[in-house]
Amino acid sequence: KQEVTQIPAALSVPEGENLVLNCSFTDSAIYNLQWFRQDPGKGLTSLLLIQSSQREQTSGRLNASLDKSSGRSTLYIAASQPGDSATYLCAVPTTSGTYKYIFGTGTRLKVLA
Amino acid sequence: SQTIHQWPATLVQPVGSPLSLECTVEGTSNPNLYWYRQAAGRGLQLLFYSVGIGQISSEVPQNLSASRPQDRQFILSSKKLLLSDSGFYLCAWNQGEEKLFFGSGTQLSVL
Repeated sequence: KQEVTQIPAALSVPEGENLVLNCSFTDSAIYNLQWFRQDPGKGLTSLLLIQSSQREQTSGRLNASLDKSSGRSTLYIAASQPGDSATYLCAVPTTSGTYKYIFGTGTRLKVLA
Repeated sequence: SQTIHQWPATLVQPVGSPLSLECTVEGTSNPNLYWYRQAAGRGLQLLFYSVGIGQISSEVPQNLSASRPQDRQFILSSKKLLLSDSGFYLCAWNQGEEKLFFGSGTQLSVL
């Protein structure tokens, strides 16, 4: 059974700092991994999707990497800004042949001005 | 472009009352549709998913049900709400193995 863990659960950093969020999954037989952002009381916004054949994806100040063999993904945020404050979640599909995603519980990020 | 609409944004219902949450997607056809629930301080729990009209798969036994009467419409229902049904409900869609797109969510409080 696929399980997803995100560490740390919460993170507070000063503005301008580069930071890394971690996501671990137990079953490496995935075909992609997604990172999402969630603001309080809002829905999730897709940030990056990494296919199993890729090692990383970049969008602006965000870079996500995927290491299937070790069951890990990282989301790197460069030059953090107060507007980056949100909860970041990763999700991987189950390996049962359907398109169901299992989510981690997220990392709550606060960037201090 | 594709958009997803989910309503209402907030809902307060007494225990034992019925529930109907609606989600519609525009700008795409035959999407996969999902209902998730997010309890306070917990991750997202998949409740139902659908790969086509009338095709509903339930992930968690409960007093909730889902229906897909039209290609781009997904409805979450209950005949009698329980206190434990309180939570943040999210509708989502995708195509195949592509990105998941979420609605803005419904905060349900059962009192």
